[in-house]
Amino acid sequence: EDQVTQSPEALRLQEGESSSLNCSYTVSGLRGLFWYRQDPGKGPEFLFTLYSAGEEKEKERLKATLTKKESFLHITAPKPEDSATYLCAVQGQNFVFGPGTRLSVLP
Amino acid sequence: DGGITQSPKYLFRKEGQNVTLSCEQNLNHDAMYWYRQDPGQGLRLIYYSQIVNDFQKGDIAEGYSVSREKKESFPLTVTSAQKNPTAFYLCASSMGRGFHNEQFFGPGTRLTVL
Repeated sequence: EDQVTQSPEALRLQEGESSSLNCSYTVSGLRGLFWYRQDPGKGPEFLFTLYSAGEEKEKERLKATLTKKESFLHITAPKPEDSATYLCAVQGQNFVFGPGTRLSVLP
Repeated sequence: DGGITQSPKYLFRKEGQNVTLSCEQNLNHDAMYWYRQDPGQGLRLIYYSQIVNDFQKGDIAEGYSVSREKKESFPLTVTSAQKNPTAFYLCASSMGRGFHNEQFFGPGTRLTVL
């Protein structure tokens, strides 16, 4: 059965304090790994798709990387507006979302 | 502006009543999806449709029904058979068929059963 876990569950950072969020997965034949950002009370916003181990993608202060068992979302010098829940989803035989990491960036 | 709209934003219903949530997209996307989100949990797939007049059950389809009569529309009915319907419901669409395509989400409908 395809499974996705995310850690930490919640993370508080000071503005400018870089960190990483983890998405670990167990799937039968990865066809894609997706990162989304979700603000409270709103629908998720697409960030990245990664398809194979070693792939990396960047967008502003965010960089996503992928290995055979996990993905990291690196946040460099975060700002308060980066505060949100970050969701990871994987497609193997099924399509599964992780529970998310709730990020708070304090000014 | 292209996008996905969901209505209403907030919905209240009494136990035993069916209720229909609206989802419309003008992105010309082939596939549409319905998810449910509960506090502290990831999104769970209810139903999806890859093409007009066809749809498949997701992981938690019991107590829900859908239709896909038009490419732009994918309404979800929450029936009285759904035991715990209070949740945040999200509709999404993607350009191609298959979950490997990025999905674009609507703003969501928060359903509360009184």
